[in-house]
Amino acid sequence: IAGITQAPTSQILAAGRRMTLRCTQDMRHNAMYWYRQDLGLGLRLIHYSNTAGTTGKGEVPDGYSVSRANTDDFPLTLASAVPSQTSVYFCASSPGIASTDTQYFGPGTRLTVL
Amino acid sequence: GQNIDQPTEMTATEGAIVQINCTYQTSGFNGLFWYQQHAGEAPTFLSYNVLDGLEEKGRFSSFLSRSKGYSYLLLKELQMKDSASYLCAVFDSNYQLIWGAGTKLIIKP
Repeated sequence: IAGITQAPTSQILAAGRRMTLRCTQDMRHNAMYWYRQDLGLGLRLIHYSNTAGTTGKGEVPDGYSVSRANTDDFPLTLASAVPSQTSVYFCASSPGIASTDTQYFGPGTRLTVL
Repeated sequence: GQNIDQPTEMTATEGAIVQINCTYQTSGFNGLFWYQQHAGEAPTFLSYNVLDGLEEKGRFSSFLSRSKGYSYLLLKELQMKDSASYLCAVFDSNYQLIWGAGTKLIIKP
């Protein structure tokens, strides 16, 4: 069982370029999330999806978009990357959105925008 | 605003006990999580508290006081592999996790 996979592992990107970070889970979890983690700051929610076909905005959604066409995949797109989007990006999933539903994290994508 | 406070860094000795504190001010409360994150890796779930009191799980225990907006993670019989960051997160009234910046725990022999 792979759990949650993310691709790429790391990427260096020129400012202004479009980039899609991939996230796939095989646990049949309903809910999925994208976070960014920056030094000295807590994980910040970018976008989430409570179930396939629905998405919502988190704390820091500007400059990012997501889609949830099926249960397994939740890609995150940077339409035109800027240096402030340099960060480590984590995808996570949970069985549902109940407070007792633990979130499980993928290995992360380290993105550098120059 | 929503706020979760944890110490930035703590140092402890192998074999000892350490307590990592977390205080929170959030819009509503629907549970508190502790996660462990080794450097360069993903966060992994440690514990969940929703009622006041102590939850024990092996060498790790987590305590919650909702009236004080306070939790702690207690690690006993510290091992070198416990060197990691420990993240406190609160499930708020919007059913979203609000995360603290994490406490980096350094274990010395």
